[in-house]
Amino acid sequence: KAGVTQTPRYLIKTRGQQVTLSCSPISGHRSVSWYQQTPGQGLQFLFEYFSETQRNKGNFPGRFSGRQFSNSRSEMNVSTLELGDSALYLCASSPSRDVDEQYFGPGTRLTVT
Amino acid sequence: KNQVEQSPQSLIILEGKNCTLQCNYTVSPFSNLRWYKQDTGRGPVSLTIMTFSENTKSNGRYTATLDADTKQSSLHITASQLSDSASYICVVSAKVGGDKLSFGAGTTVTVRA
Repeated sequence: KAGVTQTPRYLIKTRGQQVTLSCSPISGHRSVSWYQQTPGQGLQFLFEYFSETQRNKGNFPGRFSGRQFSNSRSEMNVSTLELGDSALYLCASSPSRDVDEQYFGPGTRLTVT
Repeated sequence: KNQVEQSPQSLIILEGKNCTLQCNYTVSPFSNLRWYKQDTGRGPVSLTIMTFSENTKSNGRYTATLDADTKQSSLHITASQLSDSASYICVVSAKVGGDKLSFGAGTTVTVRA
């Protein structure tokens, strides 16, 4: 089985722009979670989607949003980018809402200049 | 508030030596504890997962222990190799309706020849 894939792998944007990141879960997995990872903060939970519905949300501003499609693929969007949004964005998929079986993708490295 | 604290923050060891990483948590009600290995620029990969009733679990040269009474876990790396250089993240899951994950900040291990 192919693993979790994320595109693009690297991205450079300027302040004020918006960005969309994509995540394709492992085939058959219906739950997708997004995380932000920075050197100072470690892994921070953004949101979780299951069956196209957002089930859980972390403490991030409204500039961060996401969605999940009927084929379980997910996108996250960050609007009005700030320098502090520079981070590795990780997507993880699970067969169900049981996050015990969570598998991470390689991440998208976003740099905001 | 559920918290996961890891120590040390970083360590340097010589190839072939052993080392032990610590994880203390206050997550409740406890569901399970997982250790992840994250190579630089990659997504985390699960090493071990331990439930309440498990004290020790091994994965090759990695051995995790869990003391659910004191809420402590350790990850022991035996006969370290250069490829063990990575960040090791402790993740504790709480059973609160759906599972809720709490992440440690990680321990960065550098193995030198």
